[in-house]
Amino acid sequence: GAVVSQHPSWVICKSGTSVKIECRSLDFQATTMFWYRQFPKQSLMLMATSNEGSKATYEQGVEKDKFLINHASLTLSTLTVTSAHPEDSSFYICSSSPPGQNYNEQFFGPGTRLTVL
Amino acid sequence: DAKTTQPTSMDCAEGRAANLPCNHSTISGNEYVYWYRQIHSQGPQYIIHGLKNNETNEMASLIITEDRKSSTLILPHATLRDTAVYYCIVRGGYSGNTPLVFGKGTRLSVIA
Repeated sequence: GAVVSQHPSWVICKSGTSVKIECRSLDFQATTMFWYRQFPKQSLMLMATSNEGSKATYEQGVEKDKFLINHASLTLSTLTVTSAHPEDSSFYICSSSPPGQNYNEQFFGPGTRLTVL
Repeated sequence: DAKTTQPTSMDCAEGRAANLPCNHSTISGNEYVYWYRQIHSQGPQYIIHGLKNNETNEMASLIITEDRKSSTLILPHATLRDTAVYYCIVRGGYSGNTPLVFGKGTRLSVIA
């Protein structure tokens, strides 16, 4: 199956700083990637859809100026949490699927745990 | 995408079959039933999917009722490593350019 990686796996930062999370498709080209976040004991919530070469589409209630998404290549999407605050502490997960109709499943990265002090 | 209903939690003895139910009474004719699971602090993992026929792979079996309003995921011989949250998701077939919408899922605890 296809592999999606994330970096870093965990990060701790001070309030007010910015944090960049990378999502990479290792063995396929990803024209679309999805970003989710998950608070403790809750389900995954879709944040945004990242499209290579164009602007991301954000879900209602997600601040696009706070969560900057860049999908500059077919194998890399980045999520930058700007001016992070403790309430942004969460588990951030990305997913993608190889192009073409042969794949019916989404492949998920291992997640990035962000803790804002 | 049709809404799904799953029990909040279930227990299963190690080595026994785990049967996880899912109700999806508003499923439409072209929607598939997908199952994913999420082991603690990891990304979700695809398990299986089906349209109307029963399906089996190396991980599990999926039984879909004839009216397609409900389904059951079966882990034939549960192990401690199967402890996870299991998500039943109903959606159209190809998932490349549309995201998955996760409900609350069923927390399965496999007990030694």
